[in-house]
Amino acid sequence: GAGVSQSPSNKVTEKGKDVELRCDPISGHTALYWYRQSLGQGLEFLIYFQGNSAPDKSGLPSDRFSAERTGGSVSTLTIQRTQQEDSAVYLCASGLTSGTHNEQFFGPGTRLTVL
Amino acid sequence: AQKITQTQPGMFVQEKEAVTLDCTYDTSDPSYGLFWYKQPSSGEMIFLIYQGSYDQQNATEGRYSLNFQKARKSANLVISASQLGDSAMYFCAMRQGGTSYGKLTFGQGTILTVHP
Repeated sequence: GAGVSQSPSNKVTEKGKDVELRCDPISGHTALYWYRQSLGQGLEFLIYFQGNSAPDKSGLPSDRFSAERTGGSVSTLTIQRTQQEDSAVYLCASGLTSGTHNEQFFGPGTRLTVL
Repeated sequence: AQKITQTQPGMFVQEKEAVTLDCTYDTSDPSYGLFWYKQPSSGEMIFLIYQGSYDQQNATEGRYSLNFQKARKSANLVISASQLGDSAMYFCAMRQGGTSYGKLTFGQGTILTVHP
């Protein structure tokens, strides 16, 4: 079946602009996660959705970052007034919430460059 | 706070040899899960192996095995019979708590290079 997909694959924006990153999880996966990967900070957790609600938003770095999930499926991560330090690869993952270890399945990522 | 440490920024191994990638972790929660992921140069994260904190046996998946030493809080990945395609970045990660879902905390990663 289809894996996790993300769009766009690359995004170049100017400082101060808003950007939206999209994630389509694997069908039937109730859990959805956003992570950020950068050279300086490694892989960092941002937010976790169970269905349409986000019980863990502890990794969002500032109030410029927000995310939503609709229909228990697609999720959008929005970064307002982008800064150069927001440049990173944004990874989305999905997984099940029943079962045993439930690994997370990752998408290919969106590479964000803020000029 | 939970923390994952991978002390080897880079490792080299000869094709067909075995290699061990180190991972230590720190948590006060008695229930947790440990994961290893592979990230080739193409960028996708590939799940390799899982070890639960209450699992009695060390996990194995094909050529991958996990050397789990709970008292030392280490979860080293052993790759046997290395192949050229094993060259990639490897991440150790932990999920804290007794649920089978929730955020992962990642180590800094180890770049493995397999020489022919």
